[in-house]
Amino acid sequence: DTGVSQDPRHKITKRGQNVTFRCDPISEHNRLYWYRQTLGQGPEFLTYFQNEAQLEKSRLLSDRFSAERPKGSFSTLEIQRTEQGDSAMYLCASSPTGQGAPNEQFFGPGTRLTVL
Amino acid sequence: AQSVTQLGSHVSVSEGALVLLRCNYSSSVPPYLFWYVQYPNQGLQLLLKYTSAATLVKGINGFEAEFKKSETSFHLTKPSAHMSDAAEYFCAVTPRGWNNAGNMLTFGGGTRLMVKP
Repeated sequence: DTGVSQDPRHKITKRGQNVTFRCDPISEHNRLYWYRQTLGQGPEFLTYFQNEAQLEKSRLLSDRFSAERPKGSFSTLEIQRTEQGDSAMYLCASSPTGQGAPNEQFFGPGTRLTVL
Repeated sequence: AQSVTQLGSHVSVSEGALVLLRCNYSSSVPPYLFWYVQYPNQGLQLLLKYTSAATLVKGINGFEAEFKKSETSFHLTKPSAHMSDAAEYFCAVTPRGWNNAGNMLTFGGGTRLMVKP
């Protein structure tokens, strides 16, 4: 298994454009998470999926953001009408579901978004 | 709401010296605690985690961390720094309890470790 992959690794766009990122989790992992990391800060939780169901969304996820995981495998994160404040690293992580103590979340390399 | 504080955004040590990276959490019930490392252009990698067993947790690459409830701390240490330890380190928490089925992580602001030859 090659781990969590994200595409693209870098995206430069102009303000007002729409962008879409893709995350491919580790194949047997039921859970998939999206986090955002701005320069000099720690990652912040955005949303997570259990299989295809989106179970939690952060207040950080404005109406311009939408995430899907249609078949419970890969996920997409779309940002509509991008703003300069959306510039950040978008991280995807996956983990298996388990009882009791949380399982390790495995992170992808991230997609760095720059909004001009 | 819980939070995580990492004192010192930058820490510089000499090769072979002790590494100490500080992490304090704030929550009424001790959470699950994690340390992650991030190398340039790579994803976060788990170093170690505290669930509820021994308070001294050993991780990969010679790192360990001690959970101290009285101090609400989970500091990361390594006896002897190596050049390859230079990276960004993040402390993270997720609360215990039935209402946190998703185990979403709350991260500290990170500490950049620099190792001088």
